Amino acid sequence: DAGVIQSPRHEVTEMGQEVTLRCKPISGHNSLFWYRQTMMRGLELLIYFNNNVPIDDSGMPEDRFSAKMPNASFSTLKIQPSEPRDSAVYFCASSPPLGQGTEAFFGQGTRLTVV
Amino acid sequence: AQKVTQAQTEISVVEKEDVTLDCVYETRDTTYYLFWYKQPPSGELVFLIRRNSFDEQNEISGRYSWNFQKSTSSFNFTITASQVVDSAVYFCALSRDNAGNMLTFGGGTRLMVKP
Repeated sequence: DAGVIQSPRHEVTEMGQEVTLRCKPISGHNSLFWYRQTMMRGLELLIYFNNNVPIDDSGMPEDRFSAKMPNASFSTLKIQPSEPRDSAVYFCASSPPLGQGTEAFFGQGTRLTVV
Repeated sequence: AQKVTQAQTEISVVEKEDVTLDCVYETRDTTYYLFWYKQPPSGELVFLIRRNSFDEQNEISGRYSWNFQKSTSSFNFTITASQVVDSAVYFCALSRDNAGNMLTFGGGTRLMVKP
């Protein structure tokens, strides 16, 4: 398997623009996670999907952030409008069903810069 | 609330030295999972180990070993005979779900191994 695939790898956008980050989880995995990594706050869980349903979105910072998982093989994280403080590396991770594996596999991350 | 503390923000050693990375956690859960991830300069997050709260046996994998002590809420990671390729940021993490995948990360320890 190719692993968790995120796109784009790098994104530079202007403040106020809409940004969409994409993730393709590993085939057969039924849990998907979005994490954000910043110097100030480290690695934080933003949202967790199980079987395409959002289970815990308590980490989503504010209404400007939204995430969807329309099917088992695709998820998006959207920021609208973007702000400079959203600059971070965004990681997507997926994990297999309970009893079929032991850990979450992370994608390469998307480095977002909002200027 | 869960918390993971990695008090050492940066460690520098010379190749072939042994090094221990400390991790202390806080949780009210009786069942939980502890993890270590490696983040090399390329930026991806690489899974190293997962340990559940009922298994306090120490684990060794090649040059890596882990010491889990529930009495002190610690899950320390030792690299024996360090190598330059071990240079990375190492994250300790604690799960907050039964499947063990909604992770609360520590702040990370940057390990620099000099030749």
